Amino acid sequence: RKEVEQDPGPFNVPEGATVAFNCTYSNSASQSFFWYRQDCRKEPKLLMSVYSSGNEDGRFTAQLNRASQYISLLIRDSKLSDSATYLCVVNTNAGKSTFGDGTTLTVKP
Amino acid sequence: GAVVSQHPSRVICKSGTSVKIECRSLDFQATTMFWYRQFPKQSLMLMATSNEGSKATYEQGVEKDKFLINHASLTLSTLTVTSAHPEDSSFYICSARDLRTGKNSNQPQHFGDGTRLSIL
Repeated sequence: RKEVEQDPGPFNVPEGATVAFNCTYSNSASQSFFWYRQDCRKEPKLLMSVYSSGNEDGRFTAQLNRASQYISLLIRDSKLSDSATYLCVVNTNAGKSTFGDGTTLTVKP
Repeated sequence: GAVVSQHPSRVICKSGTSVKIECRSLDFQATTMFWYRQFPKQSLMLMATSNEGSKATYEQGVEKDKFLINHASLTLSTLTVTSAHPEDSSFYICSARDLRTGKNSNQPQHFGDGTRLSIL
C-alpha cells in the first residue's frame, strides 16, 4: 500500500461545476499537508497548505481529517484554467515529504 | 515568497555527454535541496537529497556515480548526469524548503522550473 494515495481520475467536469479530490495517508505521524498543482510539462506549484481547522482560498477549500487520515480539496465554480494534475503532499515530523501520484482534472466548456 | 531557480530549462545533447543542472535558492538559504525525476505521465520520483557541505543521500536504485550531486553553498546545488544515455532523458526538478518561517516538517517544498533533458 502506498503511503499517500490519490484517485488518479481523470475527472472531467463542465465549467462551473464543483469537484472534490481526496487523498489518504498511512503514516499517523504525518505533520503537515499540502496541495500542489502541476500543469503539463511544468513543475509542481504550491496551491495551498492544509490546516487542521480547514482553510479556504477563493474557490478552493482544503480540509484535514486526522482521525480518518485523509485530506481533501474542493474546487467551486471550476474554470477552464483549473485543468491540471493536483498533487497531495504529506510531511512527516522528520521533514520527509511524500507525494501522491496526482489526480488529473479536465474542465470542459 | 520563496523562489527556486533551475538552469538550464532545456538540454538536448548526444549520448555520452555529461550534463550539469543547477538549482539555486534565490531569496533564502537552503541546507537541503531535493532532486526529482519525472517521466511522461508518471509521478515525481525522488532521486536524492542534497545536503550542504556533506554527501547527498540517494534513494534506492539511484546510482550515485551516475548522478553526481554537489551542494557547495547554502544557495546552490548541482546535479550532473554523467555519460548520459537516451534512457536518462526525463524531466529533472529540484526543490527546497524555506525555513525562515518555521521548522522543516511544517514547510512546503518550492520547486525550480525543471530541466527537460533529451539525449539523442
